[in-house]
Amino acid sequence: DGGITQSPKYLFRKEGQNVTLSCEQNLNHDAMYWYRQDPGQGLRLIYYSQIVNDFQKGDIAEGYSVSREKKESFPLTVTSAQKNPTAFYLCASSIRGRTDTQYFGPGTRLTVL
Amino acid sequence: GQQLNQSPQSMFIQEGEDVSMNCTSSSIFNTWLWYKQDPGEGPVLLIALYKAGELTSNGRLTAQFGITRKDSFLNISASIPSDVGIYFCAGQGASYDKVIFGPGTSLSVIP
Repeated sequence: DGGITQSPKYLFRKEGQNVTLSCEQNLNHDAMYWYRQDPGQGLRLIYYSQIVNDFQKGDIAEGYSVSREKKESFPLTVTSAQKNPTAFYLCASSIRGRTDTQYFGPGTRLTVL
Repeated sequence: GQQLNQSPQSMFIQEGEDVSMNCTSSSIFNTWLWYKQDPGEGPVLLIALYKAGELTSNGRLTAQFGITRKDSFLNISASIPSDVGIYFCAGQGASYDKVIFGPGTSLSVIP
């Protein structure tokens, strides 16, 4: 079955630690995205990548970093510089240039204690 | 920057009732999208609209692209318990590399 996987589903970290969220897709999509979701708010774009070895900042990139070394993978690191890291993080992918048809993963809920 | 507003913020309805929700913006959008998110899961695309005035259905769901290009509407007919979730609208402006999401409408269906 084709799809997007995010792991783990729940993640707990101590304040001041960096943490990396995994996102893998086997849809053969060139474009991948990371969003943050807070209660009562819409999804906000953190980073996106249209092709391997290239990525752009979204609207709330501060305190986050990404890499895109493989087409299938787009890991997100939440650094200690992110002031409010506790949130639900969603990864998505699409055909390049087709942001209107994004497929989302199941999400990772990160809690920083 | 561009922002979307959704109303109502939340709604509680009886099973079998019809539901209407809308999404508005101060900016013009070229594409309107409606997603549904089940609790603890990622959003799933329900309907995509590409032309002002367009009316599109997906089963019991019907969505419309507003004539002004600044709003969109979603209707659900004869609601059932599995309709429970958060419904997000999203818009794509002149820059097709991004999609802006609204804050969502939370729907609860009482059996």
